[in-house]
Amino acid sequence: KQEVTQIPAALSVPEGENLVLNCSFTDSAIYNLQWFRQDPGKGLTSLLLIQSSQREQTSGRLNASLDKSSGRSTLYIAASQPGDSATYLCAVLGSNYQLIWGAGTKLIIKP
Amino acid sequence: GAGVSQSPSNKVTEKGKDVELRCDPISGHTALYWYRQSLGQGLEFLIYFQGNSAPDKSGLPSDRFSAERTGGSVSTLTIQRTQQEDSAVYLCASSLGGHNEKLFFGSGTQLSVL
Repeated sequence: KQEVTQIPAALSVPEGENLVLNCSFTDSAIYNLQWFRQDPGKGLTSLLLIQSSQREQTSGRLNASLDKSSGRSTLYIAASQPGDSATYLCAVLGSNYQLIWGAGTKLIIKP
Repeated sequence: GAGVSQSPSNKVTEKGKDVELRCDPISGHTALYWYRQSLGQGLEFLIYFQGNSAPDKSGLPSDRFSAERTGGSVSTLTIQRTQQEDSAVYLCASSLGGHNEKLFFGSGTQLSVL
């Protein structure tokens, strides 16, 4: 059974720092991995989708990597800003076509 | 519409009552998903619709839960005889189709069962 774990559960850093959020999964047979952000009282916003054949995806200050063999993905945020404060969720799409979600990392960027 | 729309945004109901939650996906999106998120928890898959195919209902937690998608567009999630453990945020998402497309989420319905 696929399990997705995100570490750390919460992170607080000063504005301007580069940071890395981690996501690990137990079953490497995945179709893709997605990173989302969730703002309080709002829905989820898709940030990056990495296909199983890809190693990384970039969008602006965000870079996500995928290492299927080790069951790991990282989300790198460069030059963090207070507006980046949110909960970041990763989800993997497995062979049963269901998205399995991590519990998220709550990120706070201090001005 | 411009995005996925869910209604109501908040619903408070008494234990034992039935509730209906509505989702309007992005126009042209053939795939529609329902998830629920309990406080402090990750998302739990409920049901998946893709075009005219039979829905994947494998995530529905009990037979009190059902969902329909009419005309390949609007979807309604119905919870019968609500229980307190049904309290959660119910999220709807749509995509262009196929599991390798980005998901676009609505703002969710906060359901509170008293």
